[in-house]
Amino acid sequence: IQLTQSPSSLSASVGDRVTITCRASQGISSYLAWYQQKPGKAPKLLMFAASTLQSGVPSRFSGSGSGTEFTLSISSLQPEDFATYYCQHLGYFGQGTKVEIK
Amino acid sequence: QLQLQESGPGLVKPSETLSLTCSVSGGSISSSGYFWIWVRQPPGKGLEWIASISYYGITYYSASLESRVTISVDTSTNEFSLKVRSVTAADTAVYYCARLRETLGNYMDYWGQGTLVTVSS
Repeated sequence: IQLTQSPSSLSASVGDRVTITCRASQGISSYLAWYQQKPGKAPKLLMFAASTLQSGVPSRFSGSGSGTEFTLSISSLQPEDFATYYCQHLGYFGQGTKVEIK
Repeated sequence: QLQLQESGPGLVKPSETLSLTCSVSGGSISSSGYFWIWVRQPPGKGLEWIASISYYGITYYSASLESRVTISVDTSTNEFSLKVRSVTAADTAVYYCARLRETLGNYMDYWGQGTLVTVSS
């Protein structure tokens, strides 16, 4: 299984809505998780089962999708959201999407 | 609150064996429904799953690393370990241990802070 994220990087401003896509090379039902990683830190679980928010994660994060196409959205980008985001299914990770400040 | 902590040498010589241990505190490694995993991240690159193990010893390995890697678990000490044999510079990475919940597609809900291992003579 290959997970392909797009875009690989994006520039956005505080308050923007941001959407990241993860495409699977074959159907994976809704079995996809999303992680946020800041420099020098371990990844942090944001979402599992495609759309279930992990406890403690702000509600501006949302996920959707099933089968082969999934999205992670941030409704109003905050300064602490600038990071790299990864999707994951079983032992496979996407290549990451870096969200940078415009 | 579950905590995971990696330990091991930060520098390993080429062709030698890299050995890391993950100590689990705040919970039992013998809890059902979880696997214990190692993931690595070369400098400036993405995440790569290495291996997984259950408390009762079921193991899974990345196909690309299977021939050089062994994962083990010690329920008496609440630890699990990783060995990578015949290392090269390509094995230089931050190594993370994590807990994988064996449900809804498997996801990693707790991570260690990571430990940088450099392969160099």
